[in-house]
Amino acid sequence: EIVLTQSPGTLSLSPGERATLSCRASQSVSSSYLAWYQQKPGQAPRLLIYGASNRATGIPDRFSGSGSGTDFTLTISRLEPEDFAVYYCQQYGNSPTFGGGTKVEIK
Amino acid sequence: EVQLVESGGGLVQPGGSLRLSCAGSGFTFGDYPMHWVRQAPGKGLEWVSGISESGDITVYGDSVKGRFTISRDNAKNSLYLQMNSPRAEDTALYFCTKRSSSGWTPFDYWGQGTLVTVSS
Repeated sequence: EIVLTQSPGTLSLSPGERATLSCRASQSVSSSYLAWYQQKPGQAPRLLIYGASNRATGIPDRFSGSGSGTDFTLTISRLEPEDFAVYYCQQYGNSPTFGGGTKVEIK
Repeated sequence: EVQLVESGGGLVQPGGSLRLSCAGSGFTFGDYPMHWVRQAPGKGLEWVSGISESGDITVYGDSVKGRFTISRDNAKNSLYLQMNSPRAEDTALYFCTKRSSSGWTPFDYWGQGTLVTVSS
């Protein structure tokens, strides 16, 4: 099983600031089968990024993903009020796994 | 519009059984692998199980293997999760989700979830 470790657990930032979220895998993630999801309270997760760096349909370009192998990053260039949420990375191979999540909260 | 609607959650006793359902609409259900993901109260996401487009291939997370069974009925556009011998640690909101296409692809649509509480 591929274990995904996200850091930090909580990120306290102000609107307009840049957010950098990390996801580290216990072994290499094949062909960048790495996704990022956003989840707000009381809602289902929403796909943001797939293939490590490709934005899903309708996702604003302030969201970007990068990385390969075992180290991946989600960057939100300028936080909007609606971006404060929990973010999960996922490897979506045969037996998918999720990271523990990073909460982006208002400072 | 793609929609996934879960049902069947509720209170179940440890060692009992419960069957969750997920009704899909707005897409050709039989063309997509389907999965169940759960979220314990206040916790993160945990992948539970997945099934291929035709239903001939199923995979399970270690925590549910041997106790839960995933199945689908493409004629009814429905996905199921049979939960046998549930434990307290199976208490969670269970989401139905679809892959974006065949093969190893991300989960692009999710239902709103159905809550399962395992307690005596």
